[in-house]
Amino acid sequence: RKEVEQDPGPFNVPEGATVAFNCTYSNSASQSFFWYRQDCRKEPKLLMSVYSSGNEDGRFTAQLNRASQYISLLIRDSKLSDSATYLCAATFNDYKLSFGAGTTVTVRA
Amino acid sequence: DADVTQTPRNRITKTGKRIMLECSQTKGHDRMYWYRQDPGLGLRLIYYSFDVKDINKGEISDGYSVSRQAQAKFSLSLESAIPNQTALYFCATSHGANHEQYFGPGTRLTVT
Repeated sequence: RKEVEQDPGPFNVPEGATVAFNCTYSNSASQSFFWYRQDCRKEPKLLMSVYSSGNEDGRFTAQLNRASQYISLLIRDSKLSDSATYLCAATFNDYKLSFGAGTTVTVRA
Repeated sequence: DADVTQTPRNRITKTGKRIMLECSQTKGHDRMYWYRQDPGLGLRLIYYSFDVKDINKGEISDGYSVSRQAQAKFSLSLESAIPNQTALYFCATSHGANHEQYFGPGTRLTVT
């Protein structure tokens, strides 16, 4: 079983729509969680950390569900510029950050 | 200027050649990492270093070696390149117990 799993998508949504997707993690001891954004052939960029109480940054909201071992990302009022691959990450132990393979989101005009 | 830089950005090499990828950072972070990314497989950890005197293998270290020349520099070497090492390679940094990692722009390596 992979340490972090994501639905690869793609999620195709019109501008202005809301899109949400999840990421599951296998290690119940994971303490830190993150969402990264990756544009095609570019480096992953930290989008937001995910706290136990959830985290909101503008149109982006991240939630953590420890009981079911998943984190979620919701994007409201989607923009064309939100088209990207979104990687989730969870700590596996003191040093290792395990990444999912990514969820592709395409926002269409 | 970018906080994490990688050189070269693109490299084509032949099977059996030795190649070095370099990473430098100005973030003042103590921890540095090397990942490779393949389509559909996500990021896989090759090596990581918590400080200059600390080097550790990641999940796919076979065929690779690293050198931490200074706190700000971490190099990855492919001793004898093979075609299945064709991938996108990223360097990343973090600081202390904060697990947020920051990535360099990547090196696209092709082994023919």
